[in-house]
Amino acid sequence: DTEVTQTPKHLVMGMTNKKSLKCEQHMGHRAMYWYKQKAKKPPELMFVYSYEKLSINESVPSRFSPECPNSSLLNLHLHALQPEDSALYLCASSQLDRNTGELFFGEGSRLTVL
Amino acid sequence: AQSVTQLGSHVSVSEGALVLLRCNYSSSVPPYLFWYVQYPNQGLQLLLKYTTGATLVKGINGFEAEFKKSETSFHLTKPSAHMSDAAEYFCAVSDRVSSASKIIFGSGTRLSIRP
Repeated sequence: DTEVTQTPKHLVMGMTNKKSLKCEQHMGHRAMYWYKQKAKKPPELMFVYSYEKLSINESVPSRFSPECPNSSLLNLHLHALQPEDSALYLCASSQLDRNTGELFFGEGSRLTVL
Repeated sequence: AQSVTQLGSHVSVSEGALVLLRCNYSSSVPPYLFWYVQYPNQGLQLLLKYTTGATLVKGINGFEAEFKKSETSFHLTKPSAHMSDAAEYFCAVSDRVSSASKIIFGSGTRLSIRP
């Protein structure tokens, strides 16, 4: 069982909808990540939060809005998405102190934009 | 800048045969290196990692990899393939400088196992 939990597992939304993806971890990790993965491609980094502050934004369009309410939760707010945004969105977490670089992934939220 | 190159987007082996998945890296600083596996419709799971010390690293499910600095390689092997090994495998590199792990993934290799 994964220790990073993502909800929902599947989401279908129209281009005018507003929705959110949620991620939760209880491993005490202080870094959390959003990755986007298209079919047959590697994950692409979107955002990194360190100590609940946004530390990396990989030039992601503003229609994606991350939020880290506390050290265990990470949200990705979605608004006015395009069909090409359809993908698997993966959340991950890692340690910051004694960081060995290892990421712990959730199972992902599969997003379809109509 | 760091990068990884995985040679072969698709590898097919017979059940019981040797598995060899190739990965070469580029890094301006001593790297952390990883192999992750992804089963269909799932997230990524760490197979093994090299951070420091012993260059032959053993992971889960019988996989191992050897860090060869002179060849800038980190190839993944398993002596005897099992049907359950069929999955997508990603080699990845991370620097030792960033406080958070900015991991760069290779393009992936799909492993198929023939009965």
